[in-house]
Amino acid sequence: EAQVTQNPRYLITVTGKKLTVTCSQNMNHEYMSWYRQDPGLGLRQIYYSMNVEVTDKGDVPEGYKVSRKEKRNFPLILESPSPNQTSLYFCASSLVRRADTQYFGPGTRLTVL
Amino acid sequence: EDQVTQSPEALRLQEGESSSLNCSYTVSGLRGLFWYRQDPGKGPEFLFTLYSAGEEKEKERLKATLTKKESFLHITAPKPEDSATYLCAVLPENSGGYQKVTFGTGTKLQVIP
Repeated sequence: EAQVTQNPRYLITVTGKKLTVTCSQNMNHEYMSWYRQDPGLGLRQIYYSMNVEVTDKGDVPEGYKVSRKEKRNFPLILESPSPNQTSLYFCASSLVRRADTQYFGPGTRLTVL
Repeated sequence: EDQVTQSPEALRLQEGESSSLNCSYTVSGLRGLFWYRQDPGKGPEFLFTLYSAGEEKEKERLKATLTKKESFLHITAPKPEDSATYLCAVLPENSGGYQKVTFGTGTKLQVIP
């Protein structure tokens, strides 16, 4: 089954404790992206990657890091989480030539205390 | 700066009562406009892509249309299972190869039996 998986689905942590949210897709997609979704603000792009070792900032990259060492994986790293990073996070992937059809993961609800 | 505004924020319909959702956008050249459906607790699911003014796409009870400044998602004779949040997104022409996608905040649709 074609899918994007994220782990963990729920996470409660404390300020400053480094964490990683994993994202994996099994569709051989070149493009992967991370979004955060907040009430009243909609989905905002954090980082995206057009292929292995190629990443770029989205609209809200501050406080986040990403890496793309393998085509299927695109982890999101919060080196020193802060309460304003409490949000619902989605990973997405698509073929570069099909920029429209992004497949989204199920989401990770992160709470930073 | 690219902007996407969706209205209304929320819409409550009786089963069978047709209506339209609006997505107005401001971009410096449009490469594509996308509609997604998001169910509670899940990631967005792709519905349609529209590329040029005058284009229309249909899927079951949904029809998406596009003008130079806005898109409409028409829902004909909705059923309770159409209840979801509908998201609009745009990809500008000058997105540097890929994918500075901007999402609207969505319209939450509730269809009452």
